[in-house]
Amino acid sequence: QSVLTQPPSVSGAPGQRVTISCTGSSSNIGTGYDVHWYQQLPGTAPKVLIYENTNRPSGVPDRFSGSKSGTSASLAITGLQAEDEADYYCQSYDSGLSGVVFGGGTKLTVL
Amino acid sequence: EVQLVESGGGLVKPGGSLRLSCAASGFTFRTYTMTWVRQAPGRGLEWVSSISSSSDYIYNSDSVKGRFTISRDNAKNSLYLQMNSLRAEDTAVYYCARVGSLLGLVNNWFDPWGQGTLVTVSS
Repeated sequence: QSVLTQPPSVSGAPGQRVTISCTGSSSNIGTGYDVHWYQQLPGTAPKVLIYENTNRPSGVPDRFSGSKSGTSASLAITGLQAEDEADYYCQSYDSGLSGVVFGGGTKLTVL
Repeated sequence: EVQLVESGGGLVKPGGSLRLSCAASGFTFRTYTMTWVRQAPGRGLEWVSSISSSSDYIYNSDSVKGRFTISRDNAKNSLYLQMNSLRAEDTAVYYCARVGSLLGLVNNWFDPWGQGTLVTVSS
């Protein structure tokens, strides 16, 4: 059971918009700690997609966006493409655990 | 080019020990907090341990406290993870990662990541 809760899977057709939620609590996201998002393509290491809730590293398409409110955060992907099919993870810090926490991961399927 | 290369993984029996290494290049290693994250087969990411730039602060997950020790050698641009009393549930790909900014661990993200090294604990 992960400290941050994500849906196990989401899917969408090419061109559509999908969102992935990340629900935490008052000891992590609700405290104000930043949320970061990673994309893990099959057989590869994770890559940062969104950092500090809303920022995109250079090279990440603006089809990817992040938001945060209260004890939750969301990753939105617009204009879905086949190459977006991957696992997505949220990450934050937890004051109760005094450490980093990840969501359980969400598998995105492009139909 | 910023690069992290892990080594030292392999097959070990339950109760055994293993030392992982991570060679860093392309950035000023001594100024960044470094981290180990693992991923069991078919499972999600799990944070293991982090160490501040000058080794003043060490953070460990509850699952490895007392068994794993993170360390670094800034003169050699290297990060290490000494793993003792290994259990079957420690079987995973272990990734070395740098934090994204020069801040400490809190509120920081991980970028880049190494390619990972597989540790298998089995009799």
